[in-house]
Amino acid sequence: DADVTQTPRNRITKTGKRIMLECSQTKGHDRMYWYRQDPGLGLRLIYYSFDVKDINKGEISDGYSVSRQAQAKFSLSLESAIPNQTALYFCATSERGANEQFFGPGTRLTVL
Amino acid sequence: LAKTTQPISMDSYEGQEVNITCSHNNIATNDYITWYQQFPSQGPRFIIQGYKTKVTNEVASLFIPADRKSSTLSLPRVSLSDTAVYYCLVGERNNYGQNFVFGPGTRLSVLP
Repeated sequence: DADVTQTPRNRITKTGKRIMLECSQTKGHDRMYWYRQDPGLGLRLIYYSFDVKDINKGEISDGYSVSRQAQAKFSLSLESAIPNQTALYFCATSERGANEQFFGPGTRLTVL
Repeated sequence: LAKTTQPISMDSYEGQEVNITCSHNNIATNDYITWYQQFPSQGPRFIIQGYKTKVTNEVASLFIPADRKSSTLSLPRVSLSDTAVYYCLVGERNNYGQNFVFGPGTRLSVLP
């Protein structure tokens, strides 16, 4: 969905490096989410935000942090990347009170 | 966290009706059940959502029994382009607020 964009689309980094993944949306939605996808495990929620500066932990928040300084942007950080954080990362948005989520195209992260 | 289970894979032929069932214990009273479709290298895309009984839209139907501990996505007359992974999403409330749990996904292969 072109209304939800993620940068970068692909990233290769080394163990111990700090990485930031960016998500931007033009849908005007209040709620934003970060998911991780691993083969055979589906999508797992890392963090979610229901409004600017509102941050909530998801199922697998350890090793990650997020920032929501503006309604349209939600960034995910790995302070010290490790190989088992190699995965496909998706950002999603939804309207307040609605359950339908709109997903970005994903960021493929490889930690060597 | 609520556990959701789906068949890992299903095969079908073009023109057939396909039914995919998701089991979800501990669904919260106010939570909806949402189904998504995902093609390779893309983010999931919303298909349908429901609360109870039956919901139908232009692409699928969703059947939810009275106890709401399961749901069945029905795709009428599938085509080759319906080959994808299908996920059910159930909202859950926990100590952190609200979590959203994707099922492991069902890989549907439509054969000619």
